[in-house]
Amino acid sequence: AQSVTQLDSQVPVFEEAPVELRCNYSSSVSVYLFWYVQYPNQGLQLLLKYLSGSTLVKGINGFEAEFNKSQTSFHLRKPSVHISDTAEYFCAVSGDDRGSTLGRLYFGRGTQLTVWP
Amino acid sequence: DAGVIQSPRHEVTEMGQEVTLRCKPISGHNSLFWYRQTMMRGLELLIYFNNNVPIDDSGMPEDRFSAKMPNASFSTLKIQPSEPRDSAVYFCASSNSGMGGPQHFGDGTRLSIL
Repeated sequence: AQSVTQLDSQVPVFEEAPVELRCNYSSSVSVYLFWYVQYPNQGLQLLLKYLSGSTLVKGINGFEAEFNKSQTSFHLRKPSVHISDTAEYFCAVSGDDRGSTLGRLYFGRGTQLTVWP
Repeated sequence: DAGVIQSPRHEVTEMGQEVTLRCKPISGHNSLFWYRQTMMRGLELLIYFNNNVPIDDSGMPEDRFSAKMPNASFSTLKIQPSEPRDSAVYFCASSNSGMGGPQHFGDGTRLSIL
């Protein structure tokens, strides 16, 4: 089974500051990587995904993530955050186990991003 | 396109009662997942189906929990009897099976057991 570690449970930042949310995964095989965002009282929404190709992936709302195979990381970044970016962010991975071939994702514990004015 | 539809959005009931949560996946998706989210335990996968067949129910906490998927467009998660510690937000998600397919989540059911 895959495992995903989100190193920070909470990240407070001021509006217009840059932010990086860290994600590391454990796998020795090719993986697919995802970031989801969850706003209060809502389900998880796909922010971006890495399947193959360029290691820099751009998503919605100005977010981007970089896949680093040697460091088994997939950190999420935004150069300038808004108050509306306040939400919980989840990193997820699928690997080559049977569950993953059927669509199962392994999620991290989440990082609460709070943007202050 | 309609997303994953869950009902009810909120449920408040007394301990010992039967609770049934419902989910309609996105048309054409063949994998369906039930999750539970709490502050203490985060997001937990309870069970998932592929082509209406349960694949892995190892996340179901107790025999009080059961899930069914009678057809490709409907699934239920039942708790009988319910207990206060079952209070949580329950999410349903669906995807096209195959590696790389993202899961699409419903808005969840907020369950409170008194």
